[in-house]
Amino acid sequence: GNSVTQMEGPVTLSEEAFLTINCTYTATGYPSLFWYVQYPGEGLQLLLKATKADDKGSNKGFEATYRKETTSFHLEKGSVQVSDSAVYFCALSDITGGGNKLTFGTGTQLKVEL
Amino acid sequence: GAGVSQSPSNKVTEKGKDVELRCDPISGHTALYWYRQSLGQGLEFLIYFQGNSAPDKSGLPSDRFSAERTGGSVSTLTIQRTQQEDSAVYLCASSLQGVSNQPQHFGDGTRLSIL
Repeated sequence: GNSVTQMEGPVTLSEEAFLTINCTYTATGYPSLFWYVQYPGEGLQLLLKATKADDKGSNKGFEATYRKETTSFHLEKGSVQVSDSAVYFCALSDITGGGNKLTFGTGTQLKVEL
Repeated sequence: GAGVSQSPSNKVTEKGKDVELRCDPISGHTALYWYRQSLGQGLEFLIYFQGNSAPDKSGLPSDRFSAERTGGSVSTLTIQRTQQEDSAVYLCASSLQGVSNQPQHFGDGTRLSIL
């Protein structure tokens, strides 16, 4: 079956620090990969996506590259801000694995301090 | 434009009661999904509707859970004889089509608390 593994949190960084949140996946077919973000008290929002190998998704200064050889989709940002404090979820969607449902990682809480 | 709308935003009920949760997807989106977010289990898929096809119910945890989607738009998730372990945030999402590269757009969820 499909699964997503992401690094344990919480991650605490100072403002302007470099961020990496690791995500690896297992899928039976050719998945699309997503990062969703959940700000405090809010719902899930799509942050970025990549639909095939070597695609790079980017949004709001965040980037992630679909690496088929390492089955990874690590999230990076060069300089985090306090407003980036949230929970980040890596997810995959694989139609060959049983429909279009998303399989999520456990989430990584990010806290950015001044 | 309007996003996915869920109601109520919060629901507190006694164990054993039935509850109904409503989801209004983005206009024109043919695919609709229900997920559950709980502390112990993370984010779990419950059920998926695509157009007029039979729904994928593979994630429903027990026969106390059911869902319907009327007219290809609004969906209702029903939990009968609620138990304390049903306490969670229930999230609805919709996508333009039921294909894997289409992102799902989420509502703010219904926080369900079973006393």
